[in-house]
Amino acid sequence: ETGVTQTPRHLVMGMTNKKSLKCEQHLGHNAMYWYKQSAKKPLELMFVYSLEERVENNSVPSRFSPECPNSSHLFLHLHTLQPEDSALYLCASSGDRVRIYNEQFFGPGTRLTVL
Amino acid sequence: QKEVEQDPGPLSVPEGAIVSLNCTYSNSAFQYFMWYRQYSRKGPELLMYTYSSGNKEDGRFTAQVDKSSKYISLFIRDSQPSDSATYLCASPPLACRPGAQKLVFGQGTRLTINP
Repeated sequence: ETGVTQTPRHLVMGMTNKKSLKCEQHLGHNAMYWYKQSAKKPLELMFVYSLEERVENNSVPSRFSPECPNSSHLFLHLHTLQPEDSALYLCASSGDRVRIYNEQFFGPGTRLTVL
Repeated sequence: QKEVEQDPGPLSVPEGAIVSLNCTYSNSAFQYFMWYRQYSRKGPELLMYTYSSGNKEDGRFTAQVDKSSKYISLFIRDSQPSDSATYLCASPPLACRPGAQKLVFGQGTRLTINP
């Protein structure tokens, strides 16, 4: 266990549904990330939150909406998704010390299938 | 051009062989280089990281960076079936702010060690 949990582990949804992915970290970190991992493509950073403030969103479509209510929790709200959004969605967190590099700890991911 | 390029494989070798995994990168600003390992149905976990050029050894694993050719390598000696996983190279081109960093990933190489 990495200290980062994600629920649900698997999700199947229709294009008109609204669902949310949840991430929780128990490491005392204050930076959290959402990544998308598709087959045959590199991990794509979607959102970064530092101290609960979004610092980068990387031009992600508005059908993905992140929410970070506190430094331990991160949500990804989904609505009117497309089949090409089917992928593994990974959450990660990293530490709060001022260093050039802080290791990112990943959760197990949510396998999303959009029908 | 992708910032980090990695041959996706798959790569299959017999147990005990020396494995060489490679990436190239295009951004001269990259200073830190990471190797993440991802087992099936799990999120990536940090295996090793190196700063600037040179070698770093950790047990059976050696990470090598050649900044002159923008080439990153991971060597696995005496490979074991438990090393079977997808290996991803990554680099943080800049620090958004303390504790939060964008990571640029390669596509990942799927490695299988056959007993």
